[in-house]
Amino acid sequence: GAVVSQHPSRVICKSGTSVKIECRSLDFQATTMFWYRQFPKKSLMLMATSNEGSKATYEQGVEKDKFLINHASLTLSTLTVTSAHPEDSSFYICSARDGAVGYTGELFFGEGSRLTVL
Amino acid sequence: AQSVAQPEDQVNVAEGNPLTVKCTYSVSGNPYLFWYVQYPNRGLQFLLKYITGDNLVKGSYGFEAEFNKSQTSFHLKKPSALVSDSALYFCAVRDMRTGANNLFFGTGTRLTVIP
Repeated sequence: GAVVSQHPSRVICKSGTSVKIECRSLDFQATTMFWYRQFPKKSLMLMATSNEGSKATYEQGVEKDKFLINHASLTLSTLTVTSAHPEDSSFYICSARDGAVGYTGELFFGEGSRLTVL
Repeated sequence: AQSVAQPEDQVNVAEGNPLTVKCTYSVSGNPYLFWYVQYPNRGLQFLLKYITGDNLVKGSYGFEAEFNKSQTSFHLKKPSALVSDSALYFCAVRDMRTGANNLFFGTGTRLTVIP
C-alpha cells in the first residue's frame, strides 16, 4: 500500500514553545490530508482537514490559532502546535488518501507523533 | 449523522480459536466501512473495506468482515487467531457530510490473543 511518513515520531518540548510535525505522502499525491489526535485508550479525534493550496478545515472545538496547518504541496502537510502546554500532550496522527483513487479509497496513516509538553 | 460503535473494549481469545470483533454503524445512505489495526505507538494499518458488492470482504493477514445491512453490522473475523494479532482494532465509516471525505472511527477494541 501507499506510504505516509510522519516526523518526528517523538518530541518533548517546554511549555510555551512551538512544535512542528510533518506528514508526507511518499509515493502518491494527496490533495487532502487529515490530522487526528488520539488520547490514551481513546479513539481518534479528527482535528482538521488539510487541503493543498488552501486553508485547512477545522472541526468544531479545535483552535485554529493553536494548531496551525499548512499544506504547501501535494505531498506535504505540516501541523504546528503553537505555544504548547501540557494539555496539548498527545499522540497526533496524520493520514492521506491517494487522490487518484477517490473517496472510496482507504486512508493511509503516518506512524504518529507523540508530543510531550513539560 | 454517521457513527460507528464498537461495543467491546476488550476481546480475549485463545490462540488458534476463531475471533470476532464487533462493529455496528449508523449512516444515512449506503455506508463505506473500514477496519484498521493499530500496534502500540504506531499509526493505523488498513485491513479491509466494504464499499459495495459481496457482503463478505477479505482483507490483509487473513482477516475478513461481513457486511450485514439488516443488522447494520460489519464484524471483523478471523478463523484462527495468532498471538501476533494482539492489537487495537478500529472500525470506521466514511464521513458523508457534503464535501468531506475523512473517516469517523469507533472507540476501538483491544484484542488479546492468549498463547
